[in-house]
Amino acid sequence: ETGVTQTPRHLVMGMTNKKSLKCEQHLGHNAMYWYKQSAKKPLELMFVYSLEERVENNSVPSRFSPECPNSSHLFLHLHTLQPEDSALYLCASSQTRNTYAGELFFGEGSRLTVL
Amino acid sequence: AQSVTQLDSQVPVFEEAPVELRCNYSSSVSVYLFWYVQYPNQGLQLLLKYLSGSTLVKGINGFEAEFNKSQTSFHLRKPSVHISDTAEYFCAVRGTGGGNKLTFGTGTQLKVEL
Repeated sequence: ETGVTQTPRHLVMGMTNKKSLKCEQHLGHNAMYWYKQSAKKPLELMFVYSLEERVENNSVPSRFSPECPNSSHLFLHLHTLQPEDSALYLCASSQTRNTYAGELFFGEGSRLTVL
Repeated sequence: AQSVTQLDSQVPVFEEAPVELRCNYSSSVSVYLFWYVQYPNQGLQLLLKYLSGSTLVKGINGFEAEFNKSQTSFHLRKPSVHISDTAEYFCAVRGTGGGNKLTFGTGTQLKVEL
């Protein structure tokens, strides 16, 4: 496999469920990101990990919990979500965190629907 | 902090016609500028970027963009579009200093029709 892969591609969950989104990058990059994409809104940066250490947390509600066990894998654990959390969640990676000027490589996203 | 404005949420155009997607930014510091494209049911991929040097930047799939510092713009152009160019296009900006975030615009949906 190449690039950045995300699973599942689609997820429907109730507000009381607990689920996780998974991201894997095969590019040898050291930084990984979670973005939220909602219709007609700019992409929202949620979390940044650099060398498995969380370096940015942009005031995201605690019902979203990231985990980065190694530089190739990133998870987003979800619990007690709200309907307004329904969105496309995009994972991205870059060579290093300092290369914000460099290219971000995105996965295809996980479409989340909260009922 | 930086901000990006993409005034056109949708741009319909006929195949083989030229297209321009507008992007204006606001920043108190020097910037790097990017255009990303998102095809249906896919993630974003980089089309082109301006870091320094020539203000006219060429990207993939025949797209180009021109950095205009005085007008704080970075419009994306293609002289002749194809059906396969139908996608959402995002302009993004980042301050050149370390630690600055990449800020995205709201996107422009390009719809190419026969």
